[in-house]
Amino acid sequence: GAVVSQHPSRVICKSGTSVKIECRSLDFQATTMFWYRQFPKQSLMLMATSNEGSKATYEQGVEKDKFLINHASLTLSTLTVTSAHPEDSSFYICSAKIPRTANTEAFFGQGTRLTVV
Amino acid sequence: AQTVTQSQPEMSVQEAETVTLSCTYDTSESDYYLFWYKQPPSRQMILVIRQEAYKQQNATENRFSVNFQKAAKSFSLKISDSQLGDAAMYFCAYRRGGGSEKLVFGKGTKLTVNP
Repeated sequence: GAVVSQHPSRVICKSGTSVKIECRSLDFQATTMFWYRQFPKQSLMLMATSNEGSKATYEQGVEKDKFLINHASLTLSTLTVTSAHPEDSSFYICSAKIPRTANTEAFFGQGTRLTVV
Repeated sequence: AQTVTQSQPEMSVQEAETVTLSCTYDTSESDYYLFWYKQPPSRQMILVIRQEAYKQQNATENRFSVNFQKAAKSFSLKISDSQLGDAAMYFCAYRRGGGSEKLVFGKGTKLTVNP
């Protein structure tokens, strides 16, 4: 199957700083990527849809100024958590789907565990 | 809005036995896809099985099969001959057809496999 790589897998940052998480499609071009957030023992909640070359689409209740998404190329989307606070601590997962194919599967990155201290 | 409901927060099964995980969904769409994803302790999401809504035949993948009841909007997962490696969180997910790629997940079922 297709490979989506997410980096870093773990990050600890100080409150007030910004953290960037990268999501790369390694063997296909992803015009659209998705960013999810997962709280402990809970489900994945879609935060935003990242579109190559255009603005991301955010889900209701997600602060676009806090969670900056950039999809500058067909293989890379980044999520920047700005001015991080302890309540932003969570597991963040990206996914992508091979476009214009009959393959309906979404491929997920390994996830990033963010801890804000 | 579409919703996915998994009513079993936790399930357990004896090794080599069969277990069924429940999932119901709500949608007004006629074109959609349903998925079961497995999330082991590594947190990597792994596709277990998918079902296209237009297909009447239930999907099967080795020891994994689904019971897709479209009228009832039910999509249960049956795991046969359970193995220790099947222990994980299992998420049911819905995706609308027609080019939409957003997944809506249920809250998950934690499956424990007892030796």
